[in-house]
Amino acid sequence: DAKTTQPTSMDCAEGRAANLPCNHSTISGNEYVYWYRQIHSQGPQYIIHGLKNNETNEMASLIITEDRKSSTLILPHATLRDTAVYYCIVRGLYNFNKFYFGSGTKLNVKP
Amino acid sequence: DGGITQSPKYLFRKEGQNVTLSCEQNLNHDAMYWYRQDPGQGLRLIYYSQIVNDFQKGDIAEGYSVSREKKESFPLTVTSAQKNPTAFYLCASSIAGPSGNTIYFGEGSWLTVV
Repeated sequence: DAKTTQPTSMDCAEGRAANLPCNHSTISGNEYVYWYRQIHSQGPQYIIHGLKNNETNEMASLIITEDRKSSTLILPHATLRDTAVYYCIVRGLYNFNKFYFGSGTKLNVKP
Repeated sequence: DGGITQSPKYLFRKEGQNVTLSCEQNLNHDAMYWYRQDPGQGLRLIYYSQIVNDFQKGDIAEGYSVSREKKESFPLTVTSAQKNPTAFYLCASSIAGPSGNTIYFGEGSWLTVV
């Protein structure tokens, strides 16, 4: 399974869009990109996932490049409650033990 | 409410003692998982189970044991053989199969060895 690379931390002004990048250059054709976030001392929260096409839900948008080697999670209007660690994960359909979380990106939303 | 319940939230253990962390889910998920998280670090997989009465070791299974006697329950025992057990433990579950394998987490249990 592909591993991912994310920046250690990012800052974003409240009300602005937060764009969190993720590199997954070794991703294979049947592997999905997942995003989760974790607020301190809580369980990770599912945000969104996708395979090839861009995806949007009530929380965020996921933009996957055409070659699928990188993706960006977009929080359109960041609030202070969005301050958390964001994990980008690549996972195959049947590899239940291959769900690597890594260290993620700490997003700091500032007033 | 549907979800994953972990208990206790906070647990203190003396060195040399075994301790069991509870995980119950009412999501009717087939697969369940245990992860460990150390401060400032990502999650590491301890054990996972895709079906009742079956489970597999993850990346850091040494010093841990699990059982899966019921679909909704997946308790984790931290044994005295685990040399550095102080950590945040997370239980998770998912549908097993290609139709959807998004993983959902409980709120976690803090274990401290005193």
